[in-house]
Amino acid sequence: GNSVTQMEGPVTLSEEAFLTINCTYTATGYPSLFWYVQYPGEGLQLLLKATKADDKGSNKGFEATYRKETTSFHLEKGSVQVSDSAVYFCALRYDAGGTSYGKLTFGQGTILTVHP
Amino acid sequence: DAGITQSPRHKVTETGTPVTLRCHQTENHRYMYWYRQDPGHGLRLIHYSYGVKDTDKGEVSDGYSVSRSKTEDFLLTLESATSSQTSVYFCASGLAGESGANVLTFGAGSRLTVL
Repeated sequence: GNSVTQMEGPVTLSEEAFLTINCTYTATGYPSLFWYVQYPGEGLQLLLKATKADDKGSNKGFEATYRKETTSFHLEKGSVQVSDSAVYFCALRYDAGGTSYGKLTFGQGTILTVHP
Repeated sequence: DAGITQSPRHKVTETGTPVTLRCHQTENHRYMYWYRQDPGHGLRLIHYSYGVKDTDKGEVSDGYSVSRSKTEDFLLTLESATSSQTSVYFCASGLAGESGANVLTFGAGSRLTVL
């Protein structure tokens, strides 16, 4: 079946440091890939997405590139801020020949803490 | 007003009691979902709906049932709560797209504790 694996956390960084959160997936066919972010006490919000191989999703300084050859969708940011402290989830939606009903499969989440 | 609201936001109950969580969306989204969030597991799909009265099971559906009598409301019921159902429950909704719902909108979550 489909699955998503994220790097183990938690990740602790100083402000302005470079961030990478690794995400790899297993799926048949060509899934769409997403990064969601959850701030403390809130629901998940879409951070970025990519729907086909070599697409780059970007938002708020975060980027991720859909790499079919390595089945990866790593999240990066060049300079993190304290306000980026949150839980980050990688997810896939498997777009079969029929409808997937939009169901998402999530990774386990990575807690990011950024210190001043 | 928030596009998707969950109630109650917090609930403590005892083993064996029934519990119903409500999700209400004002976006006229066709697709709705219930997920549970547990440490080390991320979010796991419990049930989903692809229209009024059209529902199906997700990967962790045992012990849960759902109902959708109106587009805007999706109810999750625990017929007889167990301690293993202590979790944070998230509702989500989305529009229909060429491959089902596109981007999902999530509620703020309902924290359930079963003693």
